[in-house]
Amino acid sequence: QQPVQSPQAVILREGEDAVINCSSSKALYSVHWYRQKHGEAPIFLMILLKGGEQKGHDKISASFNEKKQQSSLYLTASQLSYSGTYFCGTARYGNNRLAFGKGNQVVVIP
Amino acid sequence: DVKVTQSSRYLVKRTGEKVFLECVQDMDHENMFWYRQDPGLGLRLIYFSYDVKMKEKGDIPEGYSVSREKKERFSLILESASTNQTSMYLCASSFTGQDWETQYFGPGTRLLVL
Repeated sequence: QQPVQSPQAVILREGEDAVINCSSSKALYSVHWYRQKHGEAPIFLMILLKGGEQKGHDKISASFNEKKQQSSLYLTASQLSYSGTYFCGTARYGNNRLAFGKGNQVVVIP
Repeated sequence: DVKVTQSSRYLVKRTGEKVFLECVQDMDHENMFWYRQDPGLGLRLIYFSYDVKMKEKGDIPEGYSVSREKKERFSLILESASTNQTSMYLCASSFTGQDWETQYFGPGTRLLVL
């Protein structure tokens, strides 16, 4: 089941903060975040495991709310390099497959 | 660094042609995946393989087949290409053992079927 990502698109100025979300209707074991720049392969950012574990990558951090089956990605003091499409991939118990959402497009302008 | 390579970045084929897309990974990963990516639809799983000669259908397997004769190589086959198979095709690989293993992606093949 494909997770739902929101908002579809975000435009922010350099230095501003933003939050993007990934929700699933199914019980999850983990949430994976990737970023893809135009014409390039998706690049792995981080994994969030059940138990509400929060992990960070530079000024990008994320959380996983197991009760709500929702993950949020926090872009803090955004940089131009943060522009791209962010995909969340969700994994269920006993399943090596990831179900990817449709993506959140993030544009950071000077 | 993990490296996943795909045989072509761009491919143009005619309707009805048989098309082979090749993917090679150099990290001895057990799992390999084929996705297609279309605007507004995200990444959709076509097929995946968890071992040599093993395969499982993903969410959109119709019109596609796969082959995994060697651990490092996973091929996607379009038996008779159609215009609705025009898309970006991404290959990925990962280790087995944990449900949360990272998937590493290749650069993608943009296929145009005329």
